[in-house]
Amino acid sequence: GAVVSQHPSWVICKSGTSVKIECRSLDFQATTMFWYRQFPKQSLMLMATSNEGSKATYEQGVEKDKFLINHASLTLSTLTVTSAHPEDSSFYICSAKGKNEKLFFGSGTQLSVL
Amino acid sequence: GQNIDQPTEMTATEGAIVQINCTYQTSGFNGLFWYQQHAGEAPTFLSYNVLDGLEEKGRFSSFLSRSKGYSYLLLKELQMKDSASYLCAVNGRSNYQLIWGAGTKLIIKP
Repeated sequence: GAVVSQHPSWVICKSGTSVKIECRSLDFQATTMFWYRQFPKQSLMLMATSNEGSKATYEQGVEKDKFLINHASLTLSTLTVTSAHPEDSSFYICSAKGKNEKLFFGSGTQLSVL
Repeated sequence: GQNIDQPTEMTATEGAIVQINCTYQTSGFNGLFWYQQHAGEAPTFLSYNVLDGLEEKGRFSSFLSRSKGYSYLLLKELQMKDSASYLCAVNGRSNYQLIWGAGTKLIIKP
């Protein structure tokens, strides 16, 4: 079946540093990938839609300069949290649209900002 | 506005059957998904309904009524490993930006 690889699985960083999260579709090409954020005991919140070769579309309230998304190829999208602060600590999940219109999820990245 | 409602928490007994309901109000509809999510993990796909009716897949079945804005996920022969959150999500637009429910936490007791 289709596999989406996301790494790192968890990262701890100091306030003010930047963190890059990678999302790869391993056995299929994904023209569209999605980035979500999930706070404890809450549902997934869509942050942005990443389209290969074009700028990402951000949801209302998501700062595009803080959450940089790059979708440089059909198998890779990256999310960079710039100048991270403790309030950015969260679980970040990517997903990619595969065949039969299914969404395949990465394993998620737990970000803790000290 | 866009709204998806599902119960916050349900409890069921191992070996029994449980039905998790989801009602939605969205400006458009291009399909409804059910996902299972264990704590600390990413969601895994369970089912996708775009037409009315019941879709059966092993122990799990999903039902959709578009006219009523209603879906349910039916879990049979419950196992302890089924303890998880179950998320209902609607594709309200054509580009798969899903609208998510808050999830139903299912607790299975022996």
